[in-house]
Amino acid sequence: AQSVTQPDIHITVSEGASLELRCNYSYGATPYLFWYVQSPGQGLQLLLKYFSGDTLVQGIKGFEAEFKRSQSSFNLRKPSVHWSDAAEYFCAVGARGNTPLVFGKGTRLSVIA
Amino acid sequence: NAGVTQTPKFQVLKTGQSMTLQCAQDMNHNSMYWYRQDPGMGLRLIYYSASEGTTDKGEVPNGYNVSRLNKREFSLRLESAAPSQTSVYFCASSQTGYGYTFGSGTRLTVV
Repeated sequence: AQSVTQPDIHITVSEGASLELRCNYSYGATPYLFWYVQSPGQGLQLLLKYFSGDTLVQGIKGFEAEFKRSQSSFNLRKPSVHWSDAAEYFCAVGARGNTPLVFGKGTRLSVIA
Repeated sequence: NAGVTQTPKFQVLKTGQSMTLQCAQDMNHNSMYWYRQDPGMGLRLIYYSASEGTTDKGEVPNGYNVSRLNKREFSLRLESAAPSQTSVYFCASSQTGYGYTFGSGTRLTVV
């Protein structure tokens, strides 16, 4: 069965600092991988996705993520965090076809001045 | 382009009452999903519909029923609400090979 682990429940970074959010997945074949962001009181917005090909994927809002098959990881990065990036971030894994996504429990990001 | 529309946005129910959460998408997506979000639990799948005319249970289906009314609409029904069903409910839709588009959620409180 698929599963996703986001080891960090809450991370605090200073504005302008770099960010890395960790995501580890368990899945037997090559997965579909996603990162979503949820601002307070809002729905989830897709940041980026990996299906195949280049293991470094670029997303919206200056985010990128790297798929590392050997480590079963799909970590999200941003070189310089802005205060507006404060939100909750969810990693998700899916199989090819219409199998529903499995989500991690999320990482809450706080940004301080 | 509205995307995924959920109604209502907020609801308070008494224990034992019933209600239906509505979800509609205008993107011609085949698949639709209902998740619930609870603090520290992430999103857990309640039911999904891979295509019009089919529905399947997810991780936490007990106490819920669904109807895929047509390609656009996928409703979630609570027949007898319980305090454990206090949650934020999200509907989402997708086309095969793409990520989900989420609605803005329904915040449900059962007292």
